[in-house]
Amino acid sequence: KNEVEQSPQNLTAQEGEFITINCSYSVGISALHWLQQHPGGGIVSLFMLSSGKKKHGRLIATINIQEKHSSLHITASHPRDSAVYICSARNYGLSQGNLIFGKGTKLSVKP
Amino acid sequence: DTAVSQTPKYLVTQMGNDKSIKCEQNLGHDTMYWYKQDSKKFLKIMFSYNNKELIINETVPNRFSPKSPDKAHLNLHINSLELGDSAVYFCASSQDSQGAYNEQFFGPGTRLTVL
Repeated sequence: KNEVEQSPQNLTAQEGEFITINCSYSVGISALHWLQQHPGGGIVSLFMLSSGKKKHGRLIATINIQEKHSSLHITASHPRDSAVYICSARNYGLSQGNLIFGKGTKLSVKP
Repeated sequence: DTAVSQTPKYLVTQMGNDKSIKCEQNLGHDTMYWYKQDSKKFLKIMFSYNNKELIINETVPNRFSPKSPDKAHLNLHINSLELGDSAVYFCASSQDSQGAYNEQFFGPGTRLTVL
């Protein structure tokens, strides 16, 4: 079992829908990252959070440290949001700074 | 100005060859990383360097060796390439490795194809 699990694996939505992508992790972490990988392959960091909630435009990320769970929400989704969203946990331990990645959620937003 | 750049963007080569991928960051960051993304799009860390010191070395074959001539560069050398090395390799950088709040900035990736 991967130490970082994402769900769903694939998600298709209609433009305007509210979207939630979930991430659960089993390791002790210092921070959790949400990344966006565009169809062209480039990776962009969306959020890095260790507690509570962060918001950038239509994107909201939350984390519950006790439950070891994070969610990424997209409000008023748009076709340009179509991408793979990757959750990664920065864990403590022997490899400080190590990032463990989920397998990604492929989002497709239809017009 | 590109924050993290990689060259080449595409690399096609024969099995057994030796090749290098270059990475440069102009962000003044102290730590740089190499990641491998396999055909199933799964990302995995390979190496990171902090101030010219290797601080993470995951269980990758010793045919792979990172080389950092200075803080702004972390190159990846691969000897005796194998078919299984075909993947997209991403370079990234962050302010440092010790803090809990350091965002990583990714390069555009290098798609390596071994024939």
